[in-house]
Formats: sequence, C-alpha cells, structure tokens
Amino acid sequence: DIQMTQSPYSLSASVGDRVTITCRASRDIHNYLNWYQQKPGRAPKLLIYAASTLLTGVPSRFIGSGSGTDFTLTISSLQPDDFATYYCQQSYTTPRTFGGGTEVDLK
Amino acid sequence: EVQLVESGGGVTRPGGSLRLSCVASGFIFDDHAMSWVRQVPGKGLEWVSGISEMGGFTGYEDSVKGRFTISRDNAKNSLYLQMNSLRVEDTALYYCARVGASSVPGVSNYHYYYMDVWGKGTTVTVSS
Repeated sequence: DIQMTQSPYSLSASVGDRVTITCRASRDIHNYLNWYQQKPGRAPKLLIYAASTLLTGVPSRFIGSGSGTDFTLTISSLQPDDFATYYCQQSYTTPRTFGGGTEVDLK
Repeated sequence: EVQLVESGGGVTRPGGSLRLSCVASGFIFDDHAMSWVRQVPGKGLEWVSGISEMGGFTGYEDSVKGRFTISRDNAKNSLYLQMNSLRVEDTALYYCARVGASSVPGVSNYHYYYMDVWGKGTTVTVSS
C-alpha cells in the first residue's frame, strides 16, 4: 500500500498569511493526488484533484503543486473560512490512502 | 440537488454485523464509481472500500478485506456496505462518497479519480 505523510500535523496562522502544507507519498504516484478540506462536524470537501486542478468554485488562493512523491497545498492569503483540517489522498492505486491531515488554526 | 444520504449505522457487539446503505439523488448514479470512507472521532480519514459504476470492480482497505463487502443496486440508486465480524476498531463515522473522474490529457483510458460529493455520514459503534 502507498503511505501518505503530511506535514506539519498542525499549524497556527493569521488571516492574510501564506500557508503551505506538504504531502509525501511512499512511492511515485505521478500527479494522482487530491486535496480535501474538512471543518469540524462536516463532511470533507474536495478542493483539488490531479495535484493542481481546482474544482470549479474553489477560490484561486488554493494552489496545488507537485508530482512524483512530493506535493504541496498552498493557501496564498489565508481567509477566515479557511481554518480547517486539510487532507491529501492518492488516487493512483487501491487502497486510496489519505494523509494524516493538517489542522490550520488561528494564531 | 446532488445528495447522498447514509443510514444503517448503530451499536453492536464485537463479532456482530451491520449493513450500511447510501441513497443517491440528483445525478445519474450508474455514471459514477462510489466509495466508503470512515473517520474515528477526532482522527483522520480512512478510505474503506470502492466499487465501479456497474459493480464489476471492488477494492478494500487491508484491515476490512474478507469482513466487509461493498455492493450497489443501480436500479435503486443505492450503495451498500455489509460489515461482518466487526471489531472495536471499526467504530467510526462512515461516509458515502461519489467518485468523480476526469480524463488524463493525452493518455487514453486513464482518469483522475476523486471524491466530489459526500454524505453526512452514519455512525457505527462496536463495543462490548
């Protein structure tokens, strides 16, 4: 199985900050990488697929990049609605493993 | 409105069984693969199982192989997860999710897959 490792586990930031979350796959997954956002008590929401393609309606401040084993999710200017937990997930093979999540909270 | 509604969760003893259901509406159900994802309260997401559009292909997370069975009834717009030999560690909120697909540019018959619609989940508790 492919292991997905996210870092940091959590981070504190202020509105307007640039935030970067990293996700590393245990082997090459090309760009078969998705990013989800989850708020407390809510179901996850897809933000990005194919490592860098924003789902329609997702703000352009969310930027995905990377290929192979190393990926990043950048929020260019953190907004109040962005405080949440973010998960990466590989879709290269089954099982479709998730990273452990990165919680972004208010500094 | 595109919607997924899960049901069937509950409390059972270790070794027991439960059958989860997910009813889809607002989209053509048999155009999409489907998945189950679970989440222990306060913990991360774990992909549990997936099934192709017509049900011909299924996949499972290692810890549920041989115990859980995913199935679908396209005539009823419904997805199921039969869970047998339940363990305490299966306790979680179980989400049903629609799998979206986009073609990989320049590579025929290859697609990116992602979970683009989620239900609100149904809670499974396994406790002695």
